Amino acid sequence: QKEVEQDPGPLSVPEGAIVSLNCTYSNSAFQYFMWYRQYSRKGPELLMYTYSSGNKEDGRFTAQVDKSSKYISLFIRDSQPSDSATYLCAMNYGGSQGNLIFGKGTKLSVKP
Amino acid sequence: EPEVTQTPSHQVTQMGQEVILRCVPISNHLYFYWYRQILGQKVEFLVSFYNNEISEKSEIFDDQFSVERPDGSNFTLKIRSTKLEDSAMYFCASSRDRGSTGELFFGEGSRLTVL
Repeated sequence: QKEVEQDPGPLSVPEGAIVSLNCTYSNSAFQYFMWYRQYSRKGPELLMYTYSSGNKEDGRFTAQVDKSSKYISLFIRDSQPSDSATYLCAMNYGGSQGNLIFGKGTKLSVKP
Repeated sequence: EPEVTQTPSHQVTQMGQEVILRCVPISNHLYFYWYRQILGQKVEFLVSFYNNEISEKSEIFDDQFSVERPDGSNFTLKIRSTKLEDSAMYFCASSRDRGSTGELFFGEGSRLTVL
């Protein structure tokens, strides 16, 4: 079983829609959970990180972690064409130094 | 806004040749990383570096690879005797703290094509 699984999409939504992106993982030792955004031909850019289970909100973005189900989500409200990008989930062990385990990424397209 | 810069943006090399990819991390960051992304695949961790030594490395980071901070600003990845399967985008990243929380700042990447 792969450590981090993410549906690659592509996912296409109309402007203003609520977007839900998800990842599942197999290793219960993961402690930190992140969402990165990657525009075409650019490096990943950190959107949010969360520690353990719970919700975290930042503007139009909400990250959720459910450690009991080994499931993390990113919700984007009022999606904009500028949100069109590939969204990567990532996670790591608490003691690691920058050794992030990434999902494959979900390509999102928000149509005007 | 400070950013991580990488050179070259694209390098084409022949199999068996040595390649050096260069990175200038954000100036007040102390932790440095290399990741790679083979086309269509996941972003994969290669190595982390702190205080002039390797902190962690993955199975991918074998004897073919080495990293160095030759001066106060540059951070380099050397690939000796490149193979076809080394063709990938290589991302440098840096962080202010030890990176446990995943707050890494990535550069735009160096695309390596091995022929």
